[in-house]
Amino acid sequence: GNSVTQMEGPVTLSEEAFLTINCTYTATGYPSLFWYVQYPGEGLQLLLKATKADDKGSNKGFEATYRKETTSFHLEKGSVQVSDSAVYFCALSDLDNQGGKLIFGQGTELSVKP
Amino acid sequence: EAGVTQFPSHSVIEKGQTVTLRCDPISGHDNLYWYRRVMGKEIKFLLHFVKESKQDESGMPNNRFLAERTGGTYSTLKVQPAELEDSGVYFCASSQGAGGSTAKNIQYFGAGTRLSVL
Repeated sequence: GNSVTQMEGPVTLSEEAFLTINCTYTATGYPSLFWYVQYPGEGLQLLLKATKADDKGSNKGFEATYRKETTSFHLEKGSVQVSDSAVYFCALSDLDNQGGKLIFGQGTELSVKP
Repeated sequence: EAGVTQFPSHSVIEKGQTVTLRCDPISGHDNLYWYRRVMGKEIKFLLHFVKESKQDESGMPNNRFLAERTGGTYSTLKVQPAELEDSGVYFCASSQGAGGSTAKNIQYFGAGTRLSVL
């Protein structure tokens, strides 16, 4: 079946450090890929998305490129801020399911220290 | 525009008791989803409503879980009787359409209900 695997956390970085959170997926066909973020005390928010191979999603300085050859969708940011501290979830839309349910990775907690 | 709201934000109950979680989707969103995150693991799909009908309930863990969406507006998820393994964060999401990543099909999530079963 379809699945998503994320690098385990927690990840602790200093402000202005470079961030990479790895995400790989297993799926039939070409699902849409997403990164959601959950800030403390808030709901999941869509951070960025990509719908086909080589698409690059970007938002708030974060980027991720849909890599079909490596079945990956790694999240990157060149210079993190304290306000980026949150839990990040990689997800795909299940093409085998007409209802569009999302399949998530286990989440990666990021803590950015000043 | 109000987002997806969930009540309560946190519930602590004893094993064997009943708990009802509520989700108010964004107005006009026909699609409503329930998900659950247990013990820091992945967020897992529970079920999907289209208006008041259950489109997919393949993720419901067992018959102790009952979801309803009377009138196609808000939804409730009842756990009866609750067991220790039901502890986790229950998320609700809504969208206009379903599937893919077009703007109207994007799922918007609530803050979740943290359920603790003691």
